[in-house]
Amino acid sequence: NAGVTQTPKFQVLKTGQSMTLQCAQDMNHEYMSWYRQDPGMGLRLIHYSVGAGITDQGEVPNGYNVSRSTTEDFPLRLLSAAPSQTSVYFCASTKDGSSYNSPLHFGNGTRLTVT
Amino acid sequence: QQQVKQSPQSLIVQKGGISIINCAYENTAFDYFPWYQQFPGKGPALLIAIRPDVSEKKEGRFTISFNKSAKQFSLHIMDSQPGDSATYFCAAPTTGTASKLTFGTGTRLQVTL
Repeated sequence: NAGVTQTPKFQVLKTGQSMTLQCAQDMNHEYMSWYRQDPGMGLRLIHYSVGAGITDQGEVPNGYNVSRSTTEDFPLRLLSAAPSQTSVYFCASTKDGSSYNSPLHFGNGTRLTVT
Repeated sequence: QQQVKQSPQSLIVQKGGISIINCAYENTAFDYFPWYQQFPGKGPALLIAIRPDVSEKKEGRFTISFNKSAKQFSLHIMDSQPGDSATYFCAAPTTGTASKLTFGTGTRLQVTL
């Protein structure tokens, strides 16, 4: 089982460029989410999805778009990269919504630098 | 609005010692409290979790202590080992929503020889 797979592992963008961070899971989990990790800030939720075709905003959604066309994939799009989006991005999934018996499973992250 | 406050930011413990990390929460409707462990270059992984109807949960060298009246919970690592060196996050689920954990700011633990 691959679990949650994120690509690429590293990316450098120039201000104003766009890109898509890929996330795929093979556990048939309904719930998927994107977090960003910054020093001293912990993990902050960007967007999440409770199933194919359904997405919603998290704590820090500005500058990011998501879509969920399949259960397996949940890509995160940066429309016009800004230096403030320099961060490590984590995709996570859970079977039925982060309950006691259904923890979040994280990918290994994408380290993004915007110059 | 930060709903989970974690301390300390960093911690250095000698091998064999006890590591203690604390979290305080605001929302009394949280229904479980997990701790996640993250090694460099990896994503966080669930370490241990507790429900608010018990005061303590132990799994091997790791124990969560929960104080409902004080709205605090803590992670104790007994007989700390160099392999425990990692960043630890406490978290709580946002009420009424799925797949939304609110995380603390993290504690970087270093266990020295």
